[in-house]
Amino acid sequence: DSGVTQTPKHLITATGQRVTLRCSPRSGDLSVYWYQQSLDQGLQFLIQYYNGEERAKGNILERFSAQQFPDLHSELNLSSLELGDSALYFCASSVVGAELTDTQYFGPGTRLTVL
Amino acid sequence: QKEVEQDPGPLSVPEGAIVSLNCTYSNSAFQYFMWYRQYSRKGPELLMYTYSSGNKEDGRFTAQVDKSSKYISLFIRDSQPSDSATYLCAMSVQGAQKLVFGQGTRLTINP
Repeated sequence: DSGVTQTPKHLITATGQRVTLRCSPRSGDLSVYWYQQSLDQGLQFLIQYYNGEERAKGNILERFSAQQFPDLHSELNLSSLELGDSALYFCASSVVGAELTDTQYFGPGTRLTVL
Repeated sequence: QKEVEQDPGPLSVPEGAIVSLNCTYSNSAFQYFMWYRQYSRKGPELLMYTYSSGNKEDGRFTAQVDKSSKYISLFIRDSQPSDSATYLCAMSVQGAQKLVFGQGTRLTINP
């Protein structure tokens, strides 16, 4: 158990809908990262937050957005869902995530199925 | 062309064998190299972490980085059925946190 929690474990929804994925980082970690894992693209970085502020952006679609709250938990919002958004979504956390590259610990993931 | 290339396998070996997993990369700015293990329906778990070139050993696992060739390896000695998983290499640039992953190699150790 990495100490990173994600809810829900599974999510089944229809095209065009909007969903919210939630992540709680390890105690003491200030940085949260979101990744998408699909069969064809592998594990891809989406976005990073550090202490409530957006730190880095990767291949995140405009239909997707994220935020980190004062208690450091993070939410990833996916809207206007398409079939191709079906994937595993992982959250990871690390202590700093600012100037130094420290270890990222991954949560168990949320499996999203868009029908 | 992907920044990080990894043979997806699958790779199947008998118990006790030495396993070699490899990744190549194109971005010479990568400084931090990691190997993650992912069991089915679980999140990636960090196995090894190496900064710049060189070797690092941890029990039955050895990670090697050759920056001149842009090539990294993970060796597993005395492989066990519990080592059966997908192994992902990951890299990042110094000062940045974005991890770039390989496609992952699915490994099966047969008893």
